[in-house]
Amino acid sequence: TQLLEQSPQFLSIQEGENLTVYCNSSSVFSSLQWYRQEPGEGPVLLVTVVTGGEVKKLKRLTFQFGDARKDSSLHITAAQPGDTGLYLCAGRGTASKLTFGTGTRLQVTL
Amino acid sequence: NAGVTQTPKFRVLKTGQSMTLLCAQDMNHEYMYWYRQDPGMGLRLIHYSVGEGTTAKGEVPDGYNVSRLKKQNFLLGLESAAPSQTSVYFCANSAGPSYEQYFGPGTRLTVT
Repeated sequence: TQLLEQSPQFLSIQEGENLTVYCNSSSVFSSLQWYRQEPGEGPVLLVTVVTGGEVKKLKRLTFQFGDARKDSSLHITAAQPGDTGLYLCAGRGTASKLTFGTGTRLQVTL
Repeated sequence: NAGVTQTPKFRVLKTGQSMTLLCAQDMNHEYMYWYRQDPGMGLRLIHYSVGEGTTAKGEVPDGYNVSRLKKQNFLLGLESAAPSQTSVYFCANSAGPSYEQYFGPGTRLTVT
């Protein structure tokens, strides 16, 4: 079983601060996705990274896939209240199945 | 277009009761999935289907059954509910195994 551990589990910050969320595994993934989930809704895909060392930017969000394709990070610059939500990483491994991480719950306050 | 819809949105069951959760899609995607989401454990795959008439077990299939009689519908059944099945259930679909998954709004199930 491929496991994905996310850290931190919870994060409460003020508007304007920067933060980084980590997604780690001992397994290699062919690709890794990041989703954001808001209360009462299903997760929504933010980005997919495929190549080891790949960096993708989505406005104030920067995603990086580790060189060995075992880990990933999400960095948010100047967080806003609209960034509040549950962030989930998901790795695609054997048989093309997705394994979801444990999640990081982010709250951004004014 | 509704995308992926789930019914019901909320349900309370007593131990031993049965129920069926319905997932419907209007995206014409081949792949459909059922997940459960529990605090601190992310999303865990229960069962999935790679096309009409096919189903396969995921990570946590025990206590659940599924059917995919029509391409647009994927049903999740609980034959004899247990308190350990209290969770939020999400249905998702995708165009293929390596494509983006689209999720429904979830069903919150409580088993007492």
